[in-house]
Amino acid sequence: GAGVSQSPSNKVTEKGKDVELRCDPISGHTALYWYRQSLGQGLEFLIYFQGNSAPDKSGLPSDRFSAERTGGSVSTLTIQRTQQEDSAVYLCASSLGRNQETQYFGPGTRLLVL
Amino acid sequence: AQKITQTQPGMFVQEKEAVTLDCTYDTSDPSYGLFWYKQPSSGEMIFLIYQGSYDQQNATEGRYSLNFQKARKSANLVISASQLGDSAMYFCAMREGWRDDKIIFGKGTRLHILP
Repeated sequence: GAGVSQSPSNKVTEKGKDVELRCDPISGHTALYWYRQSLGQGLEFLIYFQGNSAPDKSGLPSDRFSAERTGGSVSTLTIQRTQQEDSAVYLCASSLGRNQETQYFGPGTRLLVL
Repeated sequence: AQKITQTQPGMFVQEKEAVTLDCTYDTSDPSYGLFWYKQPSSGEMIFLIYQGSYDQQNATEGRYSLNFQKARKSANLVISASQLGDSAMYFCAMREGWRDDKIIFGKGTRLHILP
């Protein structure tokens, strides 16, 4: 079946603009995760959804970042008033949910803020 | 304090040799899970292997095995008979507790396999 998909694959934006990143998880996966990976770094956890609710938002770097998930499926990560330090690869992953070990990752969205 | 420590930023290994990638972790939760992921230059994250804290035996998946030393809080990845295609970044990660919650990643080790 189809894997996790993300769009756009690449995004170049000007400082101060808002961007929306989309994640389409594997069908039937109830858990969805957003991570950020800066150049040459490991993954930084941003937010996690179980169904449509986000029990852990502690990783969001600032109030410019928000995320939502509707219908237990697609999720969007919104960054308002982008800054140059927001430039990174934003990775989405999904898993079957509670006690399922494996997260399946999407290809990521490469965001460049000029 | 870092939850996941990977002390080897980079490694060079001759093809066909075995490789050990180090990972130590820090948690006070008795229930946790440990993961290894591979990230080739193309960027995708590929799940390799998982070890639960209560698993009695070390996890194995083909050429990958996890050397789990609970008392030392160590979860090293062993790749047997390395291949050129093993060249990639390797990340160790941990989930604390039984909740399907965030997974904390280490900074990674870049592995180069030499022909």
